[in-house]
Amino acid sequence: ETGVTQTPRHLVMGMTNKKSLKCEQHLGHNAMYWYKQSAKKPLELMFVYSLEERVENNSVPSRFSPECPNSSHLFLHLHTLQPEDSALYLCASSQGALVRNTEAFFGQGTRLTVV
Amino acid sequence: GQQLNQSPQSMFIQEGEDVSMNCTSSSIFNTWLWYKQDPGEGPVLLIALYKAGELTSNGRLTAQFGITRKDSFLNISASIPSDVGIYFCAGQPSISGYALNFGKGTSLLVTP
Repeated sequence: ETGVTQTPRHLVMGMTNKKSLKCEQHLGHNAMYWYKQSAKKPLELMFVYSLEERVENNSVPSRFSPECPNSSHLFLHLHTLQPEDSALYLCASSQGALVRNTEAFFGQGTRLTVV
Repeated sequence: GQQLNQSPQSMFIQEGEDVSMNCTSSSIFNTWLWYKQDPGEGPVLLIALYKAGELTSNGRLTAQFGITRKDSFLNISASIPSDVGIYFCAGQPSISGYALNFGKGTSLLVTP
């Protein structure tokens, strides 16, 4: 079992659908992250949560809505997405968010296709 | 975030060859990390570097934190087919507390 688990692994959704991505970490970390990975682009940081509080929102459109009910779980709620939102969405966790020398551990990702 | 320049963009080598890739930044970094990503999977941490000049090995992999704190390299010795994948550098800038910045990746192909 990996330390960071994401579900589902694959998701196809229409532009009018509402869906949620789930992430769970079993590492006892205090910080969790959502990244977007598109082809031929660096990983883009979307959201950062530290101790269940959102500490960074990198100008992400409101059609992406994160939720962190506790330090082990992170959700990304999706609604009225666009085809250009199709990408691999990666969840990561680390010991702390507001500290130096942070190592991030990633889940396997959710491959999202918006049709 | 701070832009990282990772090179080369891709490499196509024969099994047994050594590989070298590097990352540079225009600003100082506190931490350099190297990840490998297999198709359809998330990045897996290979090596973490915390001090300027630090040289760290993990099996056939060796990475160094540049003295200027603006660069890092990763070497893979005696490559094998399972080394195939995309290698990413990531750095934690000194001017922010936590945001890791990633390079665009080096795609490695190894032929038997």
